[in-house]
Amino acid sequence: AQTVTQSQPEMSVQEAETVTLSCTYDTSESNYYLFWYKQPPSRQMILVIRQEAYKQQNATENRFSVNFQKAAKSFSLKISDSQLGDTAMYFCAFMKHVTGGSYIPTFGRGTSLIVHP
Amino acid sequence: KAGVTQTPRYLIKTRGQQVTLSCSPISGHRSVSWYQQTPGQGLQFLFEYFSETQRNKGNFPGRFSGRQFSNSRSEMNVSTLELGDSALYLCASRWGQTNTEAFFGQGTRLTVV
Repeated sequence: AQTVTQSQPEMSVQEAETVTLSCTYDTSESNYYLFWYKQPPSRQMILVIRQEAYKQQNATENRFSVNFQKAAKSFSLKISDSQLGDTAMYFCAFMKHVTGGSYIPTFGRGTSLIVHP
Repeated sequence: KAGVTQTPRYLIKTRGQQVTLSCSPISGHRSVSWYQQTPGQGLQFLFEYFSETQRNKGNFPGRFSGRQFSNSRSEMNVSTLELGDSALYLCASRWGQTNTEAFFGQGTRLTVV
């Protein structure tokens, strides 16, 4: 079974600064996907960034980028130029193929990020 | 294009009752998954439906069930509610089973008293 660990329950950052959220996972799979989701107070989970395990290049989406270290099974999220709207719970998720051809994610426990003005 | 719609947004039920939650996926999406989110257990996968068939099931008791209709709308049912069933129930839709990008609804907050 896969496990996803987010070791930082809470983090805070000043507006316009950079913050890095940590995520490690445990798996014996070689092909899988990793995700960061954001859950603001509105409760709706929003996909922030996705990384395919077979790609060595780190994914980037505007101010969001990841540091994917496959051998170390580490997948951290860097948020640059933090904005007040980035305040949310952030979940790291691991996804692999399961029987039936579908993908079922395993989520970490989340990191609560607060951006201060 | 409308997003994933979950109804109701909030629900209060009494222990022992049953409840049905609804999820309307994004138009064209055929895969619907359900998750339970609690402070103690985090986000846990309940089940996934595709083309009206349950394709995968998480580690939950048989009191939790679901179904999917021909228009891809899905319902989740919990019978004989327990206090521990109080949670945020999230639904996510995908275009297909092998598509990795899931779109979530805003969830139904269920409180069992």
